[in-house]
Amino acid sequence: GAVVSQHPSRVICKSGTSVKIECRSLDFQATTMFWYRQFPKQSLMLMATSNEGSKATYEQGVEKDKFLINHASLTLSTLTVTSAHPEDSSFYICSASAGAWNTEAFFGQGTRLTVV
Amino acid sequence: AQSVTQPDIHITVSEGASLELRCNYSYGATPYLFWYVQSPGQGLQLLLKYFSGDTLVQGIKGFEAEFKRSQSSFNLRKPSVHWSDAAEYFCAVGAGTGTASKLTFGTGTRLQVTL
Repeated sequence: GAVVSQHPSRVICKSGTSVKIECRSLDFQATTMFWYRQFPKQSLMLMATSNEGSKATYEQGVEKDKFLINHASLTLSTLTVTSAHPEDSSFYICSASAGAWNTEAFFGQGTRLTVV
Repeated sequence: AQSVTQPDIHITVSEGASLELRCNYSYGATPYLFWYVQSPGQGLQLLLKYFSGDTLVQGIKGFEAEFKRSQSSFNLRKPSVHWSDAAEYFCAVGAGTGTASKLTFGTGTRLQVTL
């Protein structure tokens, strides 16, 4: 099956700093990647959709200047949490799709971000 | 807009008992439906999916689900639960201009298994 690798799995950062999370498709070309956020004991909420080579589309209520998404290649998308604050602490999960309308997306392992 | 409802927040079953987790969706067209399982602190594992065809779908770990269009449901079942099945279960629908990859998740059902 398709493999999506997300790195790091855990990160702790100081308030005010920025953190970058990588999402890589290891054995297929991902024209579309998705970023989700999961608060403790809650469901996954879609943050944004990124298509290779174009700007990400953010869901309503997601601050695009705080959550910078780059999808510069067909195998890599990055999420940068800028000027992180404790309320940004969460579990972030990416998924990647080869892009056809009937193609499922494959999920990374997730990143646990803790801002102290 | 599409939505997914998992009416049961928490379910407790005895090991060896049967299990059914409920999922109802709201979507105007034929949905793509998924069930995922998540262990604490872990990512998502796909149990099964429905795209088309046979409405009874077999998945991994002995799970199955049945798509019922008339009831807008996609309930997950397992005939005999194992203690290792204790986890959080999410139903999801792929939607938005017919895409199977952009998912809307339900709120999840936490399964507890007693020995």
